[in-house]
Amino acid sequence: GENVEQHPSTLSVQEGDSAVIKCTYSDSASNYFPWYKQELGKRPQLIIDIRSNVGEKKDQRIAVTLNKTAKHFSLHITETQPEDSAVYFCAATFATYKYIFGTGTRLKVLA
Amino acid sequence: NAGVTQTPKFQVLKTGQSMTLQCAQDMNHNSMYWYRQDPGMGLRLIYYSASEGTTDKGEVPNGYNVSRLNKREFSLRLESAAPSQTSVYFCASSEALGQGSGYTFGSGTRLTVV
Repeated sequence: GENVEQHPSTLSVQEGDSAVIKCTYSDSASNYFPWYKQELGKRPQLIIDIRSNVGEKKDQRIAVTLNKTAKHFSLHITETQPEDSAVYFCAATFATYKYIFGTGTRLKVLA
Repeated sequence: NAGVTQTPKFQVLKTGQSMTLQCAQDMNHNSMYWYRQDPGMGLRLIYYSASEGTTDKGEVPNGYNVSRLNKREFSLRLESAAPSQTSVYFCASSEALGQGSGYTFGSGTRLTVV
């Protein structure tokens, strides 16, 4: 069935270190993979996305990598800062063209 | 530019009561969605509307109904609220359904059913 698994559920890093969140998806036909950041009490906001014809995409300190063969994609945050603390959600599109979201990763950046 | 506007922001209902959550977008998006967010469960799709005049069930549609009133507005109705429907509800919109189109979310409605 349609499924997106996200790991880890919580992640604590020291300020300045890197953070990596990984998602796996079930449908090899999925071709769009967005990442959303949700700060406490706020709405989810799109921070970066990648399409299946691209292996990696960067935007300043954030990057996403995609391995279509293994059906997984990852979010990489370098030089983490306290304002990066939030819940991060991955998502993938499926044949029905809807998103399925992962269950989220709570990132804590320790000063 | 308001984006996606949801009302109300907070609501407490008694079991069995009904209510409608309102959502409107001003970005001329074709597709709109209703999600619920529960701790540890992520965002689960309740209903969606690919375009004006169409609606379809998502992952967790039981106990809900929707209306795509026009291109701008997409409402979610709880006919007989149950404690299991206590959640945070998010409306979202996108240019087109799914493929390669990022979502814009509303600010959410925190619903408690007692």
